[in-house]
Amino acid sequence: NAGVTQTPKFQVLKTGQSMTLQCAQDMNHEYMSWYRQDPGMGLRLIHYSVGAGITDQGEVPNGYNVSRSTTEDFPLRLLSAAPSQTSVYFCATRTPSGLYEQYFGPGTRLTVT
Amino acid sequence: GIQVEQSPPDLILQEGANSTLRCNFSDSVNNLQWFHQNPWGQLINLFYIPSGTKQNGRLSATTVATERYSLLYISSSQTTDSGVYFCAVEKKGGSEKLVFGKGTKLTVNP
Repeated sequence: NAGVTQTPKFQVLKTGQSMTLQCAQDMNHEYMSWYRQDPGMGLRLIHYSVGAGITDQGEVPNGYNVSRSTTEDFPLRLLSAAPSQTSVYFCATRTPSGLYEQYFGPGTRLTVT
Repeated sequence: GIQVEQSPPDLILQEGANSTLRCNFSDSVNNLQWFHQNPWGQLINLFYIPSGTKQNGRLSATTVATERYSLLYISSSQTTDSGVYFCAVEKKGGSEKLVFGKGTKLTVNP
């Protein structure tokens, strides 16, 4: 039972490049989300999904795309990377309402030069 | 949107000391959680506590929803308690968006 996995762990991009951060879970949770963490800022919600085929925007969605074709996977796409997107990215899942236990992946550290 | 303020921003303790971390929020919530981020970056869910009191070992949490604050108590602190503690809330009647505070960085010295 791997929980929430993220790949890659580290990535360096040049400005303007595109890439996809992968997130997978094996807990059959409907709710998945992406956060970014910047120094002194806490975690900020980028996008979230309440189930396959359903996604919605969080606090800071600009510059990022998501899709949810299966319950297990929730990839985050950067279409044209910018230095402002240098951050640590966390994927998370959550148990159903009433329990609200959140499980985080190990994070992806992204640097855009 | 809902505002979440945590205090203090930094806290340094000697091993064995007790501490209280505070989280104030600006609106009614249906979800409040405390998380611990260890020095290696891993985030762990400590409590789901939109109201009332819960205890888990040396940690306990109390949320007074009517006064819009929550407290996290750490007793007999250990060096492994070091890290950043985050409070996160979801506004009542809002969409399913968890909003995090900026955290309290705790350092426990041996």
